[in-house]
Order: sequence, then C-alpha cells, then structure tokens
Amino acid sequence: GQNIDQPTEMTATEGAIVQINCTYQTSGFNGLFWYQQHAGEAPTFLSYNVLDGLEEKGRFSSFLSRSKGYSYLLLKELQMKDSASYLCAVRSLNRDDKIIFGKGTRLHILP
Amino acid sequence: DGGITQSPKYLFRKEGQNVTLSCEQNLNHDAMYWYRQDPGQGLRLIYYSQIVNDFQKGDIAEGYSVSREKKESFPLTVTSAQKNPTAFYLCASSIDPLRVSNQPQHFGDGTRLSIL
Repeated sequence: GQNIDQPTEMTATEGAIVQINCTYQTSGFNGLFWYQQHAGEAPTFLSYNVLDGLEEKGRFSSFLSRSKGYSYLLLKELQMKDSASYLCAVRSLNRDDKIIFGKGTRLHILP
Repeated sequence: DGGITQSPKYLFRKEGQNVTLSCEQNLNHDAMYWYRQDPGQGLRLIYYSQIVNDFQKGDIAEGYSVSREKKESFPLTVTSAQKNPTAFYLCASSIDPLRVSNQPQHFGDGTRLSIL
C-alpha cells in the first residue's frame, strides 16, 4: 500500500531549530514536496526534492534519502509566524500523477 | 496576478440538496485537482483532471461529480449521495507533470462546507 507518516504535533521555542520527519512507502517515486498550511488557509509550497541530499532555501532546508524512504524539513531561527501545519507529499511515478499527502505535522512555537 | 479562485468561501447544504463548488484558475495550468480535508486526516484526493474533457476518480470520489469543459474551470458538485460532506474543500492546479515534474500544485483558499 501507499503510506506517508509524519508526527502529529511538535513544539519548539522561538529562535530555535526544529526538524520535522517524513517517511513514505509509495508505488514509484517522482519527487517529494513540503507545504506549509496555516489554519483555515491554503497550503503553500516550501520545497521539492527528487534527488538525495539537502536543498536549502533561506531558513528552511529539506533533505531526502530515496533508499530509506525518508525526508525531513529543517526550520532554523524559528519565528512565531512559523506556527502552522507542515505537509509532506509524494508524487508517484505513474502516468496518473497522483500526489499522496501525509496528515501533516502541527508545529507550535513558544515565545 | 495569476492564481486560483474558489467560491464561495463558506457554503451550507440542506438535506437532499446538491451543491456546486467553483474553482477557476488563470495560470494556464493543464492539471486540476479537488481535495477534501478533515481535521487530523490530511488531504484526500476526490477527482483530478489532466486535460480538458477528461477526469479521473481519486481515492474518495463517491458522492461527488466534476466536469472539465474549459481549461480554466473545474467545478465540484457535492451530491445528496455524499452523507458526510462537512469538510474543507481545496482545489489545486499544476503544470502538466509529464512535461515538468518538479512543479508544485498551487492551491485555492478553500471552501468550507457545512450541513444545515
């Protein structure tokens, strides 16, 4: 079957660093996306990984290991506005281009 | 500015009634998608369309119907057969992934549907 696992909730302190993990089991792999979603709003795109390694984009970095079916999103210098849900999503290799979303990790930032 | 517009923002459905959620995009994207989001459930795919006049069922299509008569528009009808329609509905679009696989989906602001 197809499955994406990520922690339900995490808490971190303003100014700190937090790592949100995602493991996946899918039929084929054609890239992994991370999205940020504030409550009641649309998800917004953060990062994309298709090759192994680290992609850095400002305060946010995303890592992928295809052999382990594993990714993480690293958030540095946390700000209160980073309080949101973070969704891990995997694109399949099939022609139907289905993207499977994890249930999301709700991140709480404490002052 | 290009983007995806969903309307209405809030919608109420009476028992036995069909309701239609609108989704329009001016990004010239080929593919469009409808997702349902329930608390703690993440996004679940209802229907998707990769080209005009063609669409496929997603994981939870029962009780829903769609059409794709124009590239810009992908309306979703929640029929009376959907017994638990209360949820947050998100529409998304993307460039044809067979041409450019690294492009993300762009989402509308969502429609929150409730039962009266």
